[in-house]
Amino acid sequence: EAAVTQSPRNKVAVTGGKVTLSCNQTNNHNNMYWYRQDTGHGLRLIHYSYGAGSTEKGDIPDGYKASRPSQENFSLILELATPSQTSVYFCASGDAGGMAETLYFGSGTRLTVL
Amino acid sequence: GEQVEQRPPHLSVREGDSAVIICTYTDPNSYYFFWYKQEPGAGLQLLMKVFSSTEINEGQGFTVLLNKKDKQLSLNLTAAHPGDSAVYFCAVSTSGGNYKPTFGKGTSLVVHP
Repeated sequence: EAAVTQSPRNKVAVTGGKVTLSCNQTNNHNNMYWYRQDTGHGLRLIHYSYGAGSTEKGDIPDGYKASRPSQENFSLILELATPSQTSVYFCASGDAGGMAETLYFGSGTRLTVL
Repeated sequence: GEQVEQRPPHLSVREGDSAVIICTYTDPNSYYFFWYKQEPGAGLQLLMKVFSSTEINEGQGFTVLLNKKDKQLSLNLTAAHPGDSAVYFCAVSTSGGNYKPTFGKGTSLVVHP
């Protein structure tokens, strides 16, 4: 059974619309992450969280917000979606924190902004 | 900050051949090194995590080598099979900043029967 579950798996949005990507983990990990994956860029960190109520900016936070209402749930919010945000988004939870942390990824959400 | 270069971006081999993927990094304060595997339509899964020495995972048919002097990390598949076809990512964590790993851009490996 998947420990990190993302929804939806696929999403088509219109420019200027609001998009919410959801992530749920059953690992009981404190840390959670949102990445986007683009050809030629690999994985880039958007936002992360150390626990319920906390959100931190990653390397490319512009145009994105995050919300961590509970240990299990971490959402990525695009208030005004743009075509440049078309990508595959991955959520992950982290097992230990610090440099040795292993990340456990969901299966991804493919977002297309028209 | 840390920069990680991964090569090659694409690799095609025959079943039974060896395959090598190399990552070079820049930050001398890098301490943990990871290889993740991404199968089609799925998220990344940890293959191996290394700290300071050569690691060998014989069960899965690959070897991870770490050369801190040259700041290089490699993944060596000794006898590839079609089930190894996937995208492979290296990742490096440093002691500075927020410890979050920096990922390479990935290598798409195709193993032909």
